[in-house]
Amino acid sequence: DTEVTQTPKHLVMGMTNKKSLKCEQHMGHRAMYWYKQKAKKPPELMFVYSYEKLSINESVPSRFSPECPNSSLLNLHLHALQPEDSALYLCASSQDDRMNTEAFFGQGTRLTVV
Amino acid sequence: GQQVMQIPQYQHVQEGEDFTTYCNSSTTLSNIQWYKQRPGGHPVFLIQLVKSGEVKKQKRLTFQFGEAKKNSSLHITATQTTDVGTYFCAGEGNEKLTFGTGTRLTIIP
Repeated sequence: DTEVTQTPKHLVMGMTNKKSLKCEQHMGHRAMYWYKQKAKKPPELMFVYSYEKLSINESVPSRFSPECPNSSLLNLHLHALQPEDSALYLCASSQDDRMNTEAFFGQGTRLTVV
Repeated sequence: GQQVMQIPQYQHVQEGEDFTTYCNSSTTLSNIQWYKQRPGGHPVFLIQLVKSGEVKKQKRLTFQFGEAKKNSSLHITATQTTDVGTYFCAGEGNEKLTFGTGTRLTIIP
């Protein structure tokens, strides 16, 4: 199984809503990532988890809250988002966080904030 | 912070023509990876280059890593319609992978 599975595929939420994005991998990877991608732009790193601990937070606003319940799961909790947060949110995993191995990306969650 | 630029931003080619995208980093990289993202899809890993001056080939794709480990290129020979998509380089530095700005390739059949 070389897949990273993200749910939901699409999400529309209001600015006062609370929602969560989920990501799962069963490749035994110990590093997991959240990226944000706006249209026609490259993916931008948000968070890195290494061995279930948050190792990098790219100065992401607190309305985005990551969580890594175990080595296979990664969540991104969303609260009080703004319309400019609308984007494709990509989860990725790699063998470890030394960055010398390929990253496997999920299909992404296309988020629209209204 | 680290910046990774790619040129051109867009490239339209006739099917069968060659295509090249260039990647330049503001800092020296530990390694460079290349990804392809089809329209509406997610990035898919193509290859990783680690050594200075390294050249790798995958069928019609040729990847190079510069001697100074600050630039890279991807060359596609005889493009096909299946090559459509955005090609991103991604450079590793400061324990992070920074994606380049991408080159969007469209093919005219």
